[in-house]
Amino acid sequence: GQQLNQSPQSMFIQEGEDVSMNCTSSSIFNTWLWYKQDPGEGPVLLIALYKAGELTSNGRLTAQFGITRKDSFLNISASIPSDVGIYFCAGWGSNYKLTFGKGTLLTVNP
Amino acid sequence: DTAVSQTPKYLVTQMGNDKSIKCEQNLGHDTMYWYKQDSKKFLKIMFSYNNKELIINETVPNRFSPKSPDKAHLNLHINSLELGDSAVYFCASSQTGGPQHFGDGTRLSIL
Repeated sequence: GQQLNQSPQSMFIQEGEDVSMNCTSSSIFNTWLWYKQDPGEGPVLLIALYKAGELTSNGRLTAQFGITRKDSFLNISASIPSDVGIYFCAGWGSNYKLTFGKGTLLTVNP
Repeated sequence: DTAVSQTPKYLVTQMGNDKSIKCEQNLGHDTMYWYKQDSKKFLKIMFSYNNKELIINETVPNRFSPKSPDKAHLNLHINSLELGDSAVYFCASSQTGGPQHFGDGTRLSIL
């Protein structure tokens, strides 16, 4: 089956720093999604990417759909305390199932 | 205003009991899903319904039975609950091929 490797597993940064996390796949995806999950809540969609090479921003967040269609990254600029949470990448493949990465736990030190 | 709502938010019950979780979406989506999130936060698809028809049925024990009375509702019934069923169960919905929107989860604890 399709697998996603998400890294890093966790990050501990100072407020104001930039953050980068990425996902790689063993197979091609047609869509990449990035979600954030706060404690006690469900994942919330941050950015959706539909074309290879696509670069999309949402405020301080920027994500790219890799040219090979097997990877994606998410950058957060000038982090703030409310950026704390678990970030998940997810990919739609040919099996029409959304496969999730194992998440990146982000901690921001004020 | 809630887009995807599921009830209850917390469910504490004893091993062997039968329980149900309900989900409703008001986004007008045609596809609904159930996911299980384990203690390590890994999210795994369990079931998916498109226009009330089952389209994804992962390797899930048949003690789990989903039911979709209409496009806006997807319920999950679990028979003979076991300790390993303890997890957070998320309902989600999407338009076909579109990104999924999640509910806030049901925290199931088996005593």
